[in-house]
Amino acid sequence: DAGVIQSPRHEVTEMGQEVTLRCKPISGHDYLFWYRQTMMRGLELLIYFNNNVPIDDSGMPEDRFSAKMPNASFSTLKIQPSEPRDSAVYFCASSFLSGETQYFGPGTRLLVL
Amino acid sequence: AQSVTQPDIHITVSEGASLELRCNYSYGATPYLFWYVQSPGQGLQLLLKYFSGDTLVQGIKGFEAEFKRSQSSFNLRKPSVHWSDAAEYFCAVADSSYKLIFGSGTRLLVRP
Repeated sequence: DAGVIQSPRHEVTEMGQEVTLRCKPISGHDYLFWYRQTMMRGLELLIYFNNNVPIDDSGMPEDRFSAKMPNASFSTLKIQPSEPRDSAVYFCASSFLSGETQYFGPGTRLLVL
Repeated sequence: AQSVTQPDIHITVSEGASLELRCNYSYGATPYLFWYVQSPGQGLQLLLKYFSGDTLVQGIKGFEAEFKRSQSSFNLRKPSVHWSDAAEYFCAVADSSYKLIFGSGTRLLVRP
């Protein structure tokens, strides 16, 4: 299995631009998680899906952030408009069952200038 | 609210020496506990996990951890550290809805 795939690996954009991060979970996994990692706040859960349905988005920082999962093999995290404080590493993770091990992708390193 | 504390921000050990990374959690029920490792520029890799049963858990790369309910701890250990173990280590607890709550991490440096 290829593991969790994220793209792009690196993204540099200017403030105000739209940013879209992509994730392909491990085949057969029912849960998908989006995390953000920063020096100041560490690893934070933004949102997670079960069977393509958003279950908990309480970690999404504000309305500029949105996430979708149109099918079992693809999810996006969108920031519009982006701000410098959104600069972070964004991880996607997936798991087979609730409470089971989460497998992380390599992350997308986002820099907003 | 659930929380995880990793009191050591950095730890430096000599190659071949033993290692213990501390983790304390706050959770009302029996927790699901995890240790992940993150190498520079990489994602997180699961080292080991505790769900129930034997309180001494064996993981990959020669790591083990012991769940101590009385101390609310889940410390990670390795008897002999290798230079390739230099990385950041995260302890995590899964809450009642199975969301992972991470500690702030401990960066391990290994002296040759």
